[in-house]
Amino acid sequence: QSALTQPASVSGSPGQSITFSCTGTSSDVGGFNYVSWYQHYPGKAPKLMIYGVNNRPSGVSSRFSGSKSGNTASLTISGLQAEDEADYYCSSYKDGGGYVLGTATRVTVL
Amino acid sequence: QVQLVQSGAEVKKPGASVRVSCMTSGYTFTSYYIHWVRQAPGQGLEWVGIINHRIHDTIYAQNFQGRVTMNRDTSTNTVYMELSSLTSEDTAVYFCARESPETFYFDYWGQGTLVTVSS
Repeated sequence: QSALTQPASVSGSPGQSITFSCTGTSSDVGGFNYVSWYQHYPGKAPKLMIYGVNNRPSGVSSRFSGSKSGNTASLTISGLQAEDEADYYCSSYKDGGGYVLGTATRVTVL
Repeated sequence: QVQLVQSGAEVKKPGASVRVSCMTSGYTFTSYYIHWVRQAPGQGLEWVGIINHRIHDTIYAQNFQGRVTMNRDTSTNTVYMELSSLTSEDTAVYFCARESPETFYFDYWGQGTLVTVSS
């Protein structure tokens, strides 16, 4: 099972919006509305940011939003802040049970 | 509060096995699943497998089948992951993560355990 494909890096200035993708197949991202996104600072535990494609857990800023079209999911960060600089991973449930995670996108705030 | 506290770093020789523990607290242990995810140096996250406490069922990623075993101790609310026949490619930080049944996302994570495989 190959990892979901994400762009290696995305950057933006404070206050800007950025969007990056997570591409899978019809057996994972396209086949289920079970895409989640995680923020990961090196050396720390990952943090859930989005679940079920576009749902935010309690306590996560409304600046984070998710969407999906076909086999590609996307995460948008609006009003970019310095604290958003981190690695971001997508995850999807897949056919046959189990999960597949993304290759990671490093967000840099310029 | 919900906590997942993992065991400390391990150094193993190639061919050996390692067991990593994930002690949970702050919730009903048997009502949630636990996943294991790893991150090799400079690499992304990789899903290893899941243990369903309620029926003691496990699903392992294809890459690990035959080498990984997950089990749990309900008396201590602890989940264990054992990986055998270690190679240098198994050097990674291993995380445990909780899932509320059939929600398909990981809401709480452990702090990670570094496993180093080196001769």
